[in-house]
Amino acid sequence: QAHLVESGGGVVQPGTSLRLSCAGSGFSFSDFAIHWVRQAPGKGLEWVAVISYDASNEYYVDSVKGRFTVSRDNSKDTVYMQMNSLRPDDTAVYYCARIAVGGRNYFDIWGQGSLVIVSS
Amino acid sequence: DIQMTQSPSTLSASAGDRVTITCRASQSISVRLAWYQQKPGKAPSLLIYKASTLESGVPERFGGSGSGTEFTLTISSLQPDDLATYYCQQYDTYPLTFGGGTKVEIK
Repeated sequence: QAHLVESGGGVVQPGTSLRLSCAGSGFSFSDFAIHWVRQAPGKGLEWVAVISYDASNEYYVDSVKGRFTVSRDNSKDTVYMQMNSLRPDDTAVYYCARIAVGGRNYFDIWGQGSLVIVSS
Repeated sequence: DIQMTQSPSTLSASAGDRVTITCRASQSISVRLAWYQQKPGKAPSLLIYKASTLESGVPERFGGSGSGTEFTLTISSLQPDDLATYYCQQYDTYPLTFGGGTKVEIK
């Protein structure tokens, strides 16, 4: 059964950095684009970024462009999101999600989420 | 960016009721719309894609319709297990965007 597991969240101060990981299992990880979606406490879902199956393409929401970078290591079945210059409004649960079979940008597998708190 | 507007933001209904949630896109997205269910404290899960195609394993009381800019999610007979927040998402264009969510409560 396909699974995604996020790790790396925590409490950090504004202006610092954090790297999240998303490990996949139970499917051919290197065949799938992986997205990041976040959810601020008590709020709705916000798409953040995507990396293509072969890392040849990345897209970001404007609010994180230049601060967040997504990468992947298919030999480790893992995607990373490097988050720099963190701000209090980046506080959220961060989910990684698999693009659906067929290649359309909706998400059929989600991780359990990793909480990032940016606070002084 | 394509704005997705859901209504209502909250609804309360009794078990067995038919429930409808609406999602409107700020521009045409054809049928490139998905619906998700998020139960309290859990990650979202896919219900419907391509506006009306039920994801495998999702109960048939869930249905989707619409195209262009207006879409609906219908629960034909609300069950206690349907207590959740429901989100629509367009996948026509980057940035991908979600509706604000509809919280469904059981009377």
